[in-house]
Amino acid sequence: KNQVEQSPQSLIILEGKNCTLQCNYTVSPFSNLRWYKQDTGRGPVSLTIMTFSENTKSNGRYTATLDADTKQSSLHITASQLSDSASYICVVSPPRTGTASKLTFGTGTRLQVTL
Amino acid sequence: EAGVAQSPRYKIIEKRQSVAFWCNPISGHATLYWYQQILGQGPKLLIQFQNNGVVDDSQLPKDRFSAERLKGVDSTLKIQPAKLEDSAVYLCASTIQGANTEAFFGQGTRLTVV
Repeated sequence: KNQVEQSPQSLIILEGKNCTLQCNYTVSPFSNLRWYKQDTGRGPVSLTIMTFSENTKSNGRYTATLDADTKQSSLHITASQLSDSASYICVVSPPRTGTASKLTFGTGTRLQVTL
Repeated sequence: EAGVAQSPRYKIIEKRQSVAFWCNPISGHATLYWYQQILGQGPKLLIQFQNNGVVDDSQLPKDRFSAERLKGVDSTLKIQPAKLEDSAVYLCASTIQGANTEAFFGQGTRLTVV
């Protein structure tokens, strides 16, 4: 079972509408949670990063929330634009042990924004 | 600031052939990662370097995959011999130091094995 589960798997919305993507994780303890945007044919680009003590983080029209008690995070996109069409990946990392990095990636939500 | 550079962008090979990918991380980034991303899935870590040393290669199929970062800067990932299931995007990422800093990704190399 994947330690980071995302839903929905894919989503189609009209331009201008809002949407919310979900991420449930079982990685514990964890150090931080990040949301990445991955355009088709490109590498992932970081949108937000939250430590376990943060509840929300915004980046323009993107707002991420974190509930460390329920191990859930969401990414809310406001007033969607065609350029928001991409995959959104939730990534969780445990506390650093030595120099090892155990970033755990979700499978992503594929968002398509249409006219 | 220049990003993570990868080459080639695309590669098509026949099964049982060999292939190599190259990655040049952001200058000054000590940690370098290679990920495999199969279509529709999230990236899976293959190997992590700290400078020129291997930190984690537990998910690297060592019978056919190898990677090196001899001078602690750029890195190569090799597959020999390739199998059909190796078709994927191979992403390179780098961070200044470890997991608690942002990982910057290259554009990836899309490998198709036919």
